[in-house]
Amino acid sequence: QSALTQPASVSGSPGQSITISCTGTSGDIGSYNSVSWYQQHPGNAPKLVIYEVKNRPSGVSNRFSGSKSGNRASLTISGLQAEDEAEYYCTSHTTRRTYVFGTGTKVTVL
Amino acid sequence: QVQLVESGGGVVQPGRSLRLSCAASGFIFSNTGMHWVRQAPGKGLEWVAGIWNDGTEKYYGDAVQGRFTISRDNSKKTLHVQMSNLRAEDTAIYYCARARSMVRGAPFDYWGQGTLVTVSS
Repeated sequence: QSALTQPASVSGSPGQSITISCTGTSGDIGSYNSVSWYQQHPGNAPKLVIYEVKNRPSGVSNRFSGSKSGNRASLTISGLQAEDEAEYYCTSHTTRRTYVFGTGTKVTVL
Repeated sequence: QVQLVESGGGVVQPGRSLRLSCAASGFIFSNTGMHWVRQAPGKGLEWVAGIWNDGTEKYYGDAVQGRFTISRDNSKKTLHVQMSNLRAEDTAIYYCARARSMVRGAPFDYWGQGTLVTVSS
């Protein structure tokens, strides 16, 4: 199972919006609405920020939003803040009943 | 509150075995699926294995299929992974994570802090 494809890095200035893409196949993203996104700060465990494509867990800022079209999912962070600087990973359930993570995207706040 | 505490990591020689554990508290353990996810030093996340709430279904990533066995003891609220025939590429921080719901494909809403496994001679 190959990892989902994400850009290695994305950057933006405070207040701007950025979008991270996550490209999979018909065997994962294209088959389910079970795309999730995780934020990981250095030295910390990952934190769920989006699940089922577009839902936010309680306590997660509404500046985080998600979408999906075909085999591609996206995470948008609006009103970028310094605390958003972190690594972001997408993941999807697969037709083999496994999970696959994305390659990860480093978000830098300029 | 929900807590997941991993243990059992350490340094092990290639070809040897190691068992990791994850102690859960703060939620009804027998109602949720559980997973192991790992992260090699400086690398990304990799899903390792998952187990259904009652232990009847287990799934594994390609990299560990046939070498790792996931299990759980609902009476002790503990998740395990038995790792055999370890390789250098298994070196990673191993996290246990809780599935958010009983739905197949549910996301991981709580994570432990991880335990480091180093495979080296």
